[in-house]
Amino acid sequence: QSALTQPASVSGSPGQSITISCTGTSSDVGSYNRVSWYQQYSGKAPKLMIFEVTKRPSGVSNRFSGSKSGNTASLTISGLQAEDEADYYCCSYAGDDSLLFGGGTKVTVL
Amino acid sequence: QVQLQESGPGLVKPSETLSLTCTVSGGSISSYYWNWIRQPPGKGLEWIGYIYSSGFTNYNPSLKSRVTISVDTSKNQFSLNLSSVTAADTAVYYCARGRKYYSSGYYYNVDFDYWGQGTLVTVSS
Repeated sequence: QSALTQPASVSGSPGQSITISCTGTSSDVGSYNRVSWYQQYSGKAPKLMIFEVTKRPSGVSNRFSGSKSGNTASLTISGLQAEDEADYYCCSYAGDDSLLFGGGTKVTVL
Repeated sequence: QVQLQESGPGLVKPSETLSLTCTVSGGSISSYYWNWIRQPPGKGLEWIGYIYSSGFTNYNPSLKSRVTISVDTSKNQFSLNLSSVTAADTAVYYCARGRKYYSSGYYYNVDFDYWGQGTLVTVSS
């Protein structure tokens, strides 16, 4: 099993929207609506931002949204804010009761 | 509010066994999945495996031969043992609770809603 593919970095100006892609295969992302996204500040534990492709946990801003098309899932952050600067990881169920993470994307607010 | 706290040695010698414990507070360990996830310095996250409160386990195929996860429901704790460690096992190790996802008559461990703060384990002589 190879890690899901994410861009190493994405940047945007305050107020803009950015999208982070997460590309897998027909054996993981493409087969299951079990994709989640995590936000991680430097030196801190990850935080669940999106689960089951599109759902937001209580307390997560509605500026964060998720989607999926084929083997690629996406996380969109709208109205980008300075506090959104962090690393973001996707994760997908990969069959046989296993889970795969993406390599992570560093979001920079210009 | 559920809280998780990892504990264990921060330094392990090569070829020895890494042992960590995660203590769960603010909620019962019963009826949930409990995971171990690691992150080498400067790198991404890697799922290690999970244990259900009943004791059922499943591991990352790439680590399966070296990993054992166990649970002690009386103490609200679960543990990780990783044998024959090398420098490549140096990482921050996180414990995390898995949400229960229901599909077609079964429950699955598919994402993580509560995390510990993580503990750095260095493998070095």
